[in-house]
Amino acid sequence: EDKVVQSPLSLVVHEGDTVTLNCSYEVTNFRSLLWYKQEKKAPTFLFMLTSSGIEKKSGRLSSILDKKELFSILNITATQTGDSAVYLCASVAGGIKAAGNKLTFGGGTRVLVKP
Amino acid sequence: DTEVTQTPKHLVMGMTNKKSLKCEQHMGHRAMYWYKQKAKKPPELMFVYSYEKLSINESVPSRFSPECPNSSLLNLHLHALQPEDSALYLCASSQDRMDYYGYTFGSGTRLTVV
Repeated sequence: EDKVVQSPLSLVVHEGDTVTLNCSYEVTNFRSLLWYKQEKKAPTFLFMLTSSGIEKKSGRLSSILDKKELFSILNITATQTGDSAVYLCASVAGGIKAAGNKLTFGGGTRVLVKP
Repeated sequence: DTEVTQTPKHLVMGMTNKKSLKCEQHMGHRAMYWYKQKAKKPPELMFVYSYEKLSINESVPSRFSPECPNSSLLNLHLHALQPEDSALYLCASSQDRMDYYGYTFGSGTRLTVV
C-alpha cells in the first residue's frame, strides 16, 4: 500500500522565520509529488515535482524532490502570518490505464506563524 | 474560468433526509473527483469520474451515490447518512485521470448530519 508521511505534525514560528516541511513516500510506480496549502477550505496547488534535484520556486516558497531517498521538502522563508495553514503533500502513482493515476495524501503539517 | 464551484457551502441534514451536493467546472477537465475530509485529516478519495463514467469507487457505502450528468457537472446524492458522515466534502477536477498538474479543488461543502 502506498504511504506518504509528513513531518513535523505541527509547528509554531514567528514572522520572519524560515520553516522546512518534510514529506517522505513509499509508493509503487511513483510519478510525481504535489504540495498543497489548505487554509479554511479547499487545498490550493503549490508545486508539482517530477524530477529529482530541481528546485521549484514561487516567491518565498520553494520545494525540491529527492527520488533516491524518497522525500521532498517545502521551504518557506521570511514567513508571514498569512502562511499559517496546513501544508499537504501527495504522491502521484502510475496505475493501470483503466484506473488512472492514484493520488495519496500525507497527513499534513499544520503551520502557525505568530506576529 | 479556473475554478471548481461547489454548492451548497454548508449543509445540515437529518439522518432520514435526502440531499445532493453539486460540483461544477468549466475548464474542460474530463476527470472529476469526490473526496471526504474529516477534521485534521487529509482528504480521502471517494469516487473518480473520467469522461462522465465512474472509474473508481473506493468502497464507499451506498448511502453516497455519485452522478455525472455531463462533463461539467458532478453530483453526490446523500441518503440515510450517519452522524459519522459529517465532514468536509471536496470536489476536484483535472485535465484527465493521468494529468495531475492543475488538479483543482473546489472550496468544499461542510456537511453536518444530525
